[in-house]
Amino acid sequence: GESVGLHLPTLSVQEGDNSIINCAYSNSASDYFIWYKQESGKGPQFIIDIRSNMDKRQGQRVTVLLNKTVKHLSLQIAATQPGDSAVYFCAENKYPRGSSNTGKLIFGQGTTLQVKP
Amino acid sequence: GAVVSQHPSRVICKSGTSVKIECRSLDFQATTMFWYRQFPKKSLMLMATSNEGSKATYEQGVEKDKFLINHASLTLSTLTVTSAHPEDSSFYICSARGGRGSYNEQFFGPGTRLTVL
Repeated sequence: GESVGLHLPTLSVQEGDNSIINCAYSNSASDYFIWYKQESGKGPQFIIDIRSNMDKRQGQRVTVLLNKTVKHLSLQIAATQPGDSAVYFCAENKYPRGSSNTGKLIFGQGTTLQVKP
Repeated sequence: GAVVSQHPSRVICKSGTSVKIECRSLDFQATTMFWYRQFPKKSLMLMATSNEGSKATYEQGVEKDKFLINHASLTLSTLTVTSAHPEDSSFYICSARGGRGSYNEQFFGPGTRLTVL
């Protein structure tokens, strides 16, 4: 079946280092991907998105890479800070083609990022 | 980004009672709202898609009569857990789509923690 998954349940990094969180997806028809950050007891917070016609997109301290050949998505966080500690989810959705798009998101299992001071 | 609120943030109820959770888009009109359920240390599971003025579309395995969804206006959707039992205890999160931002961006609420005794 369709699924979006992450390679590692937990990632521990030193403050100031770069973090790389990976995600593998199985639905080759997916054409829109999003990374979310979820802190304990809160709802997901949008970080960055990318559409399938791109292979890289940069934000503030974050970069998302998309490799459609191997159906792999990654989130890179530069100079990781204690405030980055959270669970990170990738999600996929089919890019809208008119009003029939439901906007349903399929979430991966999540990676817990722990930042050591 | 746009703001989505949920009320209540926490609720404790006795087994057999019904609980209503509200999801509001505060500064935009949400044509579509989504309801998710999340168990501890697990990913978000989509329960249903709610479009304003029409019946909700439920995901496979989600009981329509158990989880009643009403999307009466462009800023409010409600989820009612009927005859709640301890296994319904979970973190319920809504999201809303529409208004500002990219066409497909969903804005998530802070979640509601339901505990059924």
